[in-house]
Amino acid sequence: DTEVTQTPKHLVMGMTNKKSLKCEQHMGHRAMYWYKQKAKKPPELMFVYSYEKLSINESVPSRFSPECPNSSLLNLHLHALQPEDSALYLCASSQVGRGNTEAFFGQGTRLTVV
Amino acid sequence: GQQLNQSPQSMFIQEGEDVSMNCTSSSIFNTWLWYKQDPGEGPVLLIALYKAGELTSNGRLTAQFGITRKDSFLNISASIPSDVGIYFCAGQRPVYNQGGKLIFGQGTELSVKP
Repeated sequence: DTEVTQTPKHLVMGMTNKKSLKCEQHMGHRAMYWYKQKAKKPPELMFVYSYEKLSINESVPSRFSPECPNSSLLNLHLHALQPEDSALYLCASSQVGRGNTEAFFGQGTRLTVV
Repeated sequence: GQQLNQSPQSMFIQEGEDVSMNCTSSSIFNTWLWYKQDPGEGPVLLIALYKAGELTSNGRLTAQFGITRKDSFLNISASIPSDVGIYFCAGQRPVYNQGGKLIFGQGTELSVKP
């Protein structure tokens, strides 16, 4: 099983709303990632969690708040977003270590901020 | 952030033709990955390469890890309509005790004329 599951698939939210994106994997991976992707552009790294601890924050605005409740789950809490935050948000997971650390991506959440 | 030089940016080919795309970097990577992304979906891992000089096939796909560790190519033989999509290369440098941070190319958009 190489599946990373993201919910919801689509989300429309107002600029004053609070919402959360969810990600789940059961591959035993101990690294999980959030990426943001604009149309026809490569994914941009936002956050990395290793062993349930935040290890990389790519200078992401505080209106994005990640959370890793356990080794299988990753959330991204959204608050007071701007229209330019509309994008495809991708979750990924991988093993931790020196080899075979290829990342597997979920199908993404298409976020529209109105 | 740092990006890889991926070429070509787009290509139109006749069904049955072979396709070639490549990525180059000014710095060394430990791992090269090739992903395919369909519209509205997350990237799907096609091939992972771990050793300099490694040549790996996956069906009609063949990829190589350059001997200098600064480049990789992907070939698709006998293309079919379902090969349409955006192909991304990604270089990875494992971070100690963490997952690997991916650096993506700009993508090659493949369109096939049936």
